[in-house]
Amino acid sequence: DQQVKQNSPSLSVQEGRISILNCDYTNSMFDYFLWYKKYPAEGPTFLISISSIKDKNEDGRFTVFLNKSAKHLSLHIVPSQPGDSAVYFCAASPGFYQLTFGKGTKLSVIP
Amino acid sequence: DAGVTQSPTHLIKTRGQQVTLRCSPKSGHDTVSWYQQALGQGPQFIFQYYEEEERQRGNFPDRFSGHQFPNYSSELNVNALLLGDSALYLCASSLYSLTGELFFGEGSRLTVL
Repeated sequence: DQQVKQNSPSLSVQEGRISILNCDYTNSMFDYFLWYKKYPAEGPTFLISISSIKDKNEDGRFTVFLNKSAKHLSLHIVPSQPGDSAVYFCAASPGFYQLTFGKGTKLSVIP
Repeated sequence: DAGVTQSPTHLIKTRGQQVTLRCSPKSGHDTVSWYQQALGQGPQFIFQYYEEEERQRGNFPDRFSGHQFPNYSSELNVNALLLGDSALYLCASSLYSLTGELFFGEGSRLTVL
């Protein structure tokens, strides 16, 4: 029973264009959502988060959107850069610190 | 400022053996969580330690156990290893008072033959 789903295993985007990574969840108890980025041979690195009381959070080139009614969130990267090429994990928490992760989406930004 | 450090980085064991993995949290952090990441999957929560006690546990058998020391470092022990235990084991540290944001180490890659 996958409570956090990232249905796109991979995504390719031209440098300078927008990257949109999607994530769906099923557990209504989740109220805090995070995106992590992972390079090969490294641990995941926190990127951006959003709580359920908001529908948008921005940090530089990264914006996360939350649609609670659809149980859907997305990460927008604008403009995309080659250094953004990595695996992106969506994660969710019921507020008790335990994170549930999706399977990840591998983003390739083509120069 | 040292981040989360894990040891060993790689190890190979055979079925039935036991393994101990170690983790030192980021300076200032008091909580350690362990995650298992199988190939092609996202990290899966094993358990969390705070004040030397297991506070939360995911859906893992009792073969998986842990410990947290007074200096906040932690160990993950896995007994009676199975082939399916082959995975990257990630340690993450945080402040217990804050929700969500975890700082991960680079992981320990365990291969069970």
